[in-house]
Amino acid sequence: EDQVTQSPEALRLQEGESSSLNCSYTVSGLRGLFWYRQDPGKGPEFLFTLYSAGEEKEKERLKATLTKKESFLHITAPKPEDSATYLCAVLAPRDNYGQNFVFGPGTRLSVLP
Amino acid sequence: DAGVTQSPTHLIKTRGQQVTLRCSPKSGHDTVSWYQQALGQGPQFIFQYYEEEERQRGNFPDRFSGHQFPNYSSELNVNALLLGDSALYLCASSLAPGRYSPLHFGNGTRLTVT
Repeated sequence: EDQVTQSPEALRLQEGESSSLNCSYTVSGLRGLFWYRQDPGKGPEFLFTLYSAGEEKEKERLKATLTKKESFLHITAPKPEDSATYLCAVLAPRDNYGQNFVFGPGTRLSVLP
Repeated sequence: DAGVTQSPTHLIKTRGQQVTLRCSPKSGHDTVSWYQQALGQGPQFIFQYYEEEERQRGNFPDRFSGHQFPNYSSELNVNALLLGDSALYLCASSLAPGRYSPLHFGNGTRLTVT
């Protein structure tokens, strides 16, 4: 069964204090790993897609990396507006031309001014 | 470019009632998926529709059903509501399943069952 875990569950950083979030997964036939940001009361907002081990993507203060077992979301010099829940999801193909994204529980990030 | 829109935004129902939630996908997308998100948890997959057919289903009972229309919009129906059905229901759209494209989410419908 496909599984996704994320750590830590919650993280509090001071503004400017860099850190990393972890997403570990077990999936058969990975077709992509996706990072999302979710603000309270809103739907998840797409950040990155990673398709193969060794791949990296960057956007402003965020950088996502992928290995065969896990992905990291590195946050460099975070600002209070980076506070949100960060979700990762893995995608594997299914029968009947279907697909299933499996989400992790998320990491709640708080950046204090 | 219109994103994913969901209606209504909030809904309060009584245990045993039925509810219908609606979703319009992002322009250019033809696949719609529904997720249930309890407070403090990640989204849980309910089902996915493509070409007006249910293509994949998660571990949800038959009380949860759906439909996709020719214009790609979708409905989620839940019958015989239970207190445990209270959650944020998210609709997500994407390109056809074989494209392995990311999901784009709406802001959800907050369902409260009393």
